[in-house]
Amino acid sequence: AQSVSQHNHHVILSEAASLELGCNYSYGGTVNLFWYVQYPGQHLQLLLKYFSGDPLVKGIKGFEAEFIKSKFSFNLRKPSVQWSDTAEYFCAVRGGGADGLTFGKGTHLIIQP
Amino acid sequence: GAVVSQHPSRVICKSGTSVKIECRSLDFQATTMFWYRQFPKQSLMLMATSNEGSKATYEQGVEKDKFLINHASLTLSTLTVTSAHPEDSSFYICSVPEGDEKLFFGSGTQLSVL
Repeated sequence: AQSVSQHNHHVILSEAASLELGCNYSYGGTVNLFWYVQYPGQHLQLLLKYFSGDPLVKGIKGFEAEFIKSKFSFNLRKPSVQWSDTAEYFCAVRGGGADGLTFGKGTHLIIQP
Repeated sequence: GAVVSQHPSRVICKSGTSVKIECRSLDFQATTMFWYRQFPKQSLMLMATSNEGSKATYEQGVEKDKFLINHASLTLSTLTVTSAHPEDSSFYICSVPEGDEKLFFGSGTQLSVL
């Protein structure tokens, strides 16, 4: 069975700081990888996804993530965060074929002005 | 332990039959639950927001009569795929918000319609 681990449950940063949220997964085969964001009071939105090709994926709002197969990781990064980035961030993995989607427990990011 | 229980995890059914998927909040009461669908090679798509005691709010393009949502209690929401067809085969997952900050996911249901 696949699993997803997000290392940081709560992260507090100041505006303009750089961000990196860790995500590791366990699955032996081909995977599809996702980062979703949930802003307060809203439902999930897709930030970015990786299916194949260039392991460095660029998403919306200046976010990017790098798939490192050897480390089973898909960390989310942003060079300079803004107060509006305060939200809950979820990493998700889906194995190839008919496997379901597995979410990490989420990282609550708070950006202080 | 699990905060949200989703059942069944996998279901295979014949075309034309109806399938019910349950989403239970185990640790807290939830007036709102979300239902998502994910097709292969695509990202998650919000189908509808389930509201306890009132009608669900459906996203544009989602057929209300096909995907019946019932949020009968503060801990249970059900999604019924009526008269299922092969194109309804997908991965369905529910999520339950706790307040404005936390979101918990069910384990998902893989539906295969033959």
